[in-house]
Amino acid sequence: EAGVTQFPSHSVIEKGQTVTLRCDPISGHDNLYWYRRVMGKEIKFLLHFVKESKQDESGMPNNRFLAERTGGTYSTLKVQPAELEDSGVYFCASSRTGRNTEAFFGQGTRLTVV
Amino acid sequence: GESVGLHLPTLSVQEGDNSIINCAYSNSASDYFIWYKQESGKGPQFIIDIRSNMDKRQGQRVTVLLNKTVKHLSLQIAATQPGDSAVYFCAETLNSGYSTLTFGKGTMLLVSP
Repeated sequence: EAGVTQFPSHSVIEKGQTVTLRCDPISGHDNLYWYRRVMGKEIKFLLHFVKESKQDESGMPNNRFLAERTGGTYSTLKVQPAELEDSGVYFCASSRTGRNTEAFFGQGTRLTVV
Repeated sequence: GESVGLHLPTLSVQEGDNSIINCAYSNSASDYFIWYKQESGKGPQFIIDIRSNMDKRQGQRVTVLLNKTVKHLSLQIAATQPGDSAVYFCAETLNSGYSTLTFGKGTMLLVSP
């Protein structure tokens, strides 16, 4: 069974540009989460999808971030326009439906805004 | 890969030693806790979990202890190996039916041969 995959693994963009990150969860996992780790700090929750619906987007930092999960399969996270403070590693995780089911993480996308 | 070690507390041990990594969690209402291991260039990997109705749980070479009175978790790794070198995060969640996690700051474990 394939794990959670994220693309690209690394992206370097200029301030003001747009970047779109993609996450393919494990097949059959209804729950999909985005997290972010800014350099040297803890991993922070961004948002949670159940299938195609946003269950919780309380962690989204501002309206420059837009997440979608059309069809309830893969998800995209777009940052537009990117700012320097958006640099960090963006992790996606997925889990099955159920109480406290294990979340499996992808390898992350390292975003560098210059 | 990511430079996971910057600004993190670091624990340096010799191969074969026992390691203890500590974590203070934030929400007294949290009732499910997980330890994750993150190696450079990889995502967090589940190690062991514990529910709030327990104070100790053992796995293979790892033990997690939970002290709800002081909101403290610890991860004990027996006979630490060089392959255990990584950043370790504790995470907490409410019994909401989902896995939205609140992570601690992380500790880097360095194991010397």
